[in-house]
Amino acid sequence: DSGVTQTPKHLITATGQRVTLRCSPRSGDLSVYWYQQSLDQGLQFLIQYYNGEERAKGNILERFSAQQFPDLHSELNLSSLELGDSALYFCASSPSGYNEQFFGPGTRLTVL
Amino acid sequence: GEDVEQSLFLSVREGDSSVINCTYTDSSSTYLYWYKQEPGAGLQLLTYIFSNMDMKQDQRLTVLLNKKDKHLSLRIADTQTGDSAIYFCAEGGGGADGLTFGKGTHLIIQP
Repeated sequence: DSGVTQTPKHLITATGQRVTLRCSPRSGDLSVYWYQQSLDQGLQFLIQYYNGEERAKGNILERFSAQQFPDLHSELNLSSLELGDSALYFCASSPSGYNEQFFGPGTRLTVL
Repeated sequence: GEDVEQSLFLSVREGDSSVINCTYTDSSSTYLYWYKQEPGAGLQLLTYIFSNMDMKQDQRLTVLLNKKDKHLSLRIADTQTGDSAIYFCAEGGGGADGLTFGKGTHLIIQP
C-alpha cells in the first residue's frame, strides 16, 4: 500500500458525459501527478500540481482539467467523454515534486 | 521527444536470474526508475538510480546504468513466481515534470 488513495475504483459512463476522479496523496506529500494508462498509448503523464498550483503539463487534452485543493487532495475532471478516453487513470504523489513518485491503485474508466 | 524502450516479454525459469533491459533517449534524465505492476494493481516503486551512479543493489534487485549508451537494466536474482508482473522503466529529469515510461516488460516465470 503506497498511501495514495483514489476513488472511485471503477467508473462506467456514456459518451458525452463528465466525470470527476479523486486522489488523496500520501501524508506530507505536496505534489500530485495524474497519468493515463491505455493499451495503445501506454502510461502517459497528464498534469502535475504542487501545493495547489499547476506545475507541469503533459499530454492532457483540453477536455480534461485538474485542480489541487488546500487539503492537498486533487481532482481530475474529464468532460465530453469519448470512447477513446476509456483507460486506467493513476494519481501519484511525491514530497516535493523532485523525488520518486508513489502511485495510487488507479481508477478504471469505461466509456460506453 | 523523450522516449523509453523496453522489450515486451521476458520468460525465465523459477530460480534463475531475470534481466530486464531499457534504453532511453533523454540525456538530461536525472533519475531512472523501475516500477512493478501486478494484474489489476497500481504501480509499485521497486527502486531508482541517480544518473551519476553506475550500480545500485537492493536485496535481490540490482540496477545497472550505462549513461554513455543510455541503457538501464534491472536484474532480479532467484526469480520467484511472485515476481511475475509487468516491469516499467521510467525516466525523470528531476525537475517539475512527470515521468516518461516505457511500454513495460511482461516477466513470465516458468516452473
